[in-house]
Amino acid sequence: NAGVMQNPRHLVRRRGQEARLRCSPMKGHSHVYWYRQLPEEGLKFMVYLQKENIIDESGMPKERFSAEFPKEGPSILRIQQVVRGDSAAYFCASSPLAGNIGYGYTFGSGTRLTVV
Amino acid sequence: AQTVTQSQPEMSVQEAETVTLSCTYDTSESDYYLFWYKQPPSRQMILVIRQEAYKQQNATENRFSVNFQKAAKSFSLKISDSQLGDAAMYFCAYRSTVVVVNYGGSQGNLIFGKGTKLSVKP
Repeated sequence: NAGVMQNPRHLVRRRGQEARLRCSPMKGHSHVYWYRQLPEEGLKFMVYLQKENIIDESGMPKERFSAEFPKEGPSILRIQQVVRGDSAAYFCASSPLAGNIGYGYTFGSGTRLTVV
Repeated sequence: AQTVTQSQPEMSVQEAETVTLSCTYDTSESDYYLFWYKQPPSRQMILVIRQEAYKQQNATENRFSVNFQKAAKSFSLKISDSQLGDAAMYFCAYRSTVVVVNYGGSQGNLIFGKGTKLSVKP
């Protein structure tokens, strides 16, 4: 049973380009969360999605960032016109259907985005 | 809003010794979950231990145990018989039990502290 798969593991983008980060949740998990980890910081919540729905995007920057979790395929975190301040590790986590909120959910290994 | 504070940016322990990592949090809720995560250099976030606030008994997982003081809002992690493989960043995290009723229901996100970097000396 594969864990949460994130790719790419490392991504380098020039300022102004677009970054696309992909996350495939664990089998049977229908909830996906995206977190961002800046250097020397803990993880900060960005967005929570279920299939075809954004449930909570209170942690997402208002501009340039978007996320989706289509009916088929992985969840995508998209960052348009990247700036140096977007350089961070982006983690995806997944959990089973609602009800088991004591579960600390399963994280992927993250994508390290470097903007040059 | 809930906050999580880890006041020790770095800690060091001798192999086979015991070390305690501190965590305090602030919340007005009476029921919630607390977690400790380990992040080795591989960057993988690994769940170490979890505690349910309504349980008075401290959680234990092999060499890892917690000292949960609900009134003091303190949740420290004790690592016994430290091993070289324990060297990592350790993050304390809080999760509310408040469920927002929405499409399919919703679960609270995790709120993390800034972490403690643990070094283990051979």
